[in-house]
Amino acid sequence: LAKTTQPISMDSYEGQEVNITCSHNNIATNDYITWYQQFPSQGPRFIIQGYKTKVTNEVASLFIPADRKSSTLSLPRVSLSDTAVYYCLVGGTIYNQGGKLIFGQGTELSVKP
Amino acid sequence: DVKVTQSSRYLVKRTGEKVFLECVQDMDHENMFWYRQDPGLGLRLIYFSYDVKMKEKGDIPEGYSVSREKKERFSLILESASTNQTSMYLCASIPTGSSYEQYFGPGTRLTVT
Repeated sequence: LAKTTQPISMDSYEGQEVNITCSHNNIATNDYITWYQQFPSQGPRFIIQGYKTKVTNEVASLFIPADRKSSTLSLPRVSLSDTAVYYCLVGGTIYNQGGKLIFGQGTELSVKP
Repeated sequence: DVKVTQSSRYLVKRTGEKVFLECVQDMDHENMFWYRQDPGLGLRLIYFSYDVKMKEKGDIPEGYSVSREKKERFSLILESASTNQTSMYLCASIPTGSSYEQYFGPGTRLTVT
C-alpha cells in the first residue's frame, strides 16, 4: 500500500477555503484515494473518495492531477465545526488489498473564529 | 445509516486481566476490523476478518486475539492486559467490493492499570 505524506497541522479562519494536500508518490494503478475526518473521541468518518481528476460531494472536493502522485482535499468556507484531523489514504478494493488501510498521522485542522 | 456499535466507551482494567471488546454492525458487512489509536502513531490495524470464523493479522497483533462467530459481531480479546495496551480501540466494517469506505464505531478508551 502506498505511503502518504500530509502536513501535520494547519490553521484557518471561519469562512475560508482550506486545501490540504497529500503526497502519494508510489500510488498503484488500482489504488483509490480516500479522505477521512476524525473528531476528538470519535471514530474516523469517510468524507470523499476519488480515482482521478475531480470529485465533489456535499462536504468537500477532491482534486487529483493526471499523474496521481498527490491529491488535494478542499473544504469550502470552513466553520468551527470543521476542526478535526483529516486523513489521506490510498488503496484498492477489499479484494486485492487484503482490507488493510494505512492511516498516517493525519492533518490536524484548527479553525478559528 | 450504517451503524457500528462498541460495547463500552470507557473501560478500566487491571494488569493481567482478560479483556473483551465487542463490536457489532447492523449492515450485513462481510469485513470487520480492529484498530488501536495512540497519540503520534495514528491508527494501527490489529486484526481483521473477511467472514465468519475467518481472521487475518494486521500490523500489530501481538497480545491480542479475535473472535468472529457471527457475521455482525467481531470481538477483540486481550488475553492478559498490560499497561502498554492502554489505548483507544476502534472497530470498523465495510462491505465486500467497496473501495475502502469503512464505517467506524465510536471507540473504546481502555485504561490498564
